[in-house]
Amino acid sequence: ETGVTQTPRHLVMGMTNKKSLKCEQHLGHNAMYWYKQSAKKPLELMFVYNFKEQTENNSVPSRFSPECPNSSHLFLHLHTLQPEDSALYLCASSQGTEQETQYFGPGTRLLVL
Amino acid sequence: AQSVTQLGSHVSVSEGALVLLRCNYSSSVPPYLFWYVQYPNQGLQLLLKYTTGATLVKGINGFEAEFKKSETSFHLTKPSAHMSDAAEYFCAVSPTGAGNMLTFGGGTRLMVKP
Repeated sequence: ETGVTQTPRHLVMGMTNKKSLKCEQHLGHNAMYWYKQSAKKPLELMFVYNFKEQTENNSVPSRFSPECPNSSHLFLHLHTLQPEDSALYLCASSQGTEQETQYFGPGTRLLVL
Repeated sequence: AQSVTQLGSHVSVSEGALVLLRCNYSSSVPPYLFWYVQYPNQGLQLLLKYTTGATLVKGINGFEAEFKKSETSFHLTKPSAHMSDAAEYFCAVSPTGAGNMLTFGGGTRLMVKP
């Protein structure tokens, strides 16, 4: 595997379900990110991790819970979501400084019923 | 707070025509600037970026962009559009000295007509 991978690619869940999104980067980076991409809205940064420490939480509701066990893996735990949470969730990684390129995974398309 | 404006959510050009996608940012200090492309069912891929030095930046697939500080702009151009250029394009900024956070514009969907 190369680059940034995300699983699953598609997910349908009810509002009472609990699920997790997984991201893995094979680039040796030390920063990882979660973004939300909704229709008709700009990409929204949700969380930033640098060296496994969360350095940014962009006012994300608590029904989204990130976890970064090491620099290569990032999870997004989901529980009691709302239909408006349906979106494409993108993971990215980078070397961590502001001028470094962020490399994106293909995303998980989430539908909340 | 930084903001990024991409003028035109949809742009349509004929194959072989000039591509011009506009990006303006608001920031008291010139940020780092990026253009990303997203093909259907894929993540974002870097086209080019400006950090320091020459203000005309060349990227992949024949694209280039020019940083104009006085106009707070970073427009993306390509002399001759190809069908394979049809995609969504995102301009993004990263504040200097304030951490590794990207702020994205709303995106421009480029359509290329045969």
